[in-house]
This record gives sequence, structure tokens and C-alpha cells, in this order.
Amino acid sequence: KNEVEQSPQNLTAQEGEFITINCSYSVGISALHWLQQHPGGGIVSLFMLSSGKKKHGRLIATINIQEKHSSLHITASHPRDSAVYICAARSYNTDKLIFGTGTRLQVFP
Amino acid sequence: DAGVTQSPTHLIKTRGQQVTLRCSPKSGHDTVSWYQQALGQGPQFIFQYYEEEERQRGNFPDRFSGHQFPNYSSELNVNALLLGDSALYLCASSFVGREGHYGYTFGSGTRLTVV
Repeated sequence: KNEVEQSPQNLTAQEGEFITINCSYSVGISALHWLQQHPGGGIVSLFMLSSGKKKHGRLIATINIQEKHSSLHITASHPRDSAVYICAARSYNTDKLIFGTGTRLQVFP
Repeated sequence: DAGVTQSPTHLIKTRGQQVTLRCSPKSGHDTVSWYQQALGQGPQFIFQYYEEEERQRGNFPDRFSGHQFPNYSSELNVNALLLGDSALYLCASSFVGREGHYGYTFGSGTRLTVV
């Protein structure tokens, strides 16, 4: 079993829909990162969370430390949101990033 | 201010050859981590360099080696390339703070194809 699990693996949506991507982890963490990867590979860091909730534009990230679970929400989704979204847990013991396998999101007009 | 710069962006090598990938960290960052991302998978940690030393290593064979220079830039070397080494190689820089590493910033990656 992977230390960081994401669901769903693939997600399609119509423009305007509310999107939720989930991440569960089994290791002790000091922080959790949400990353966006577009075709071609470059990764952009969206959020780093150690507790609570963060919001940036149409993106919201939440984390529940007790339940070892985080969610990334996209409100009013748009085709340009189409990308792979990856959660990465920063191990409390080793400080290494442990990545989930990603969620491929496609938003259609 | 440039972020993390990786070179080359794409590379094709023949099985058995050796390859060197390069990474320049974001200004102010002192730590470089390397990841291998196979198609359809999440990135896998290769190793991390800080103060010109390998500080941590993932489950990769000794064919994978690296170096960090005094200006914090880093190289990843892979010897005796195998077809299975074909992947996107990502570099991330960060800086060491009081409670660990901060400011993780990723490069765009080097796509290596081994034929």
C-alpha cells in the first residue's frame, strides 16, 4: 500500500463544475503539498498545508491532521484547470517528499 | 528571479551510455532534491544534496549518482543506462530552516528517453 494515496485517479468534468480531489496518507507529516503538473512535465506548487485550510483564487485546500486526509477543491472549473494534481506529504521523520500517483483532471467546455 | 532551471529539456540516449542532467536551484535555496517520474506515476525520490553532500537517498541503484557544487547547483549522473531509466527527471530546490526544508520549487524536468 502506498504511503500517500489519491482519489480519483482520473476525473472528467464540465466547465463550471465543483471539483474535489482527495489525498490520504499513512506517515507522520510536517506538511502536505498540493502540486499541479501540466503536459510537458513542469510542476507548480499550489499549496503547502500543515493545518486547516488555504484558499487561492478558485482553489481551496484543506487538511485534517487527525484523519490524515487532505482535499483540493476547484470551484467553477475551467478547461485551463486540466492537469495532473499531485499531493505530496513531507515526512516528519526524514523531511522527504512522498508523492501520490496523481489525479488526472480534464475539464471540458 | 529565475526559479529552478533544468537542462537539457529533452535527451535521447542509447542503452549502456551515461548521462548527466543539470539543475540550478532557485535563488536563495541551498538544497537540491532529484526525482524520477515514470509515465503515469508520481515522482519517486532519488536523492537530496545539501552542503555539497548527499544527505538522503531513495531506493535507486548506485548507477545513479550526483554532485552539488559550491554555488548550490547540482548534477544527476546515470551510468549504464537501461530502457527502464526512461522517465522525466525532476529537480526541486528548497532551503533549510529551523524545522526542516521550506519553499519547495520544482523545475520543468528533463525528459530522458533510452533507446
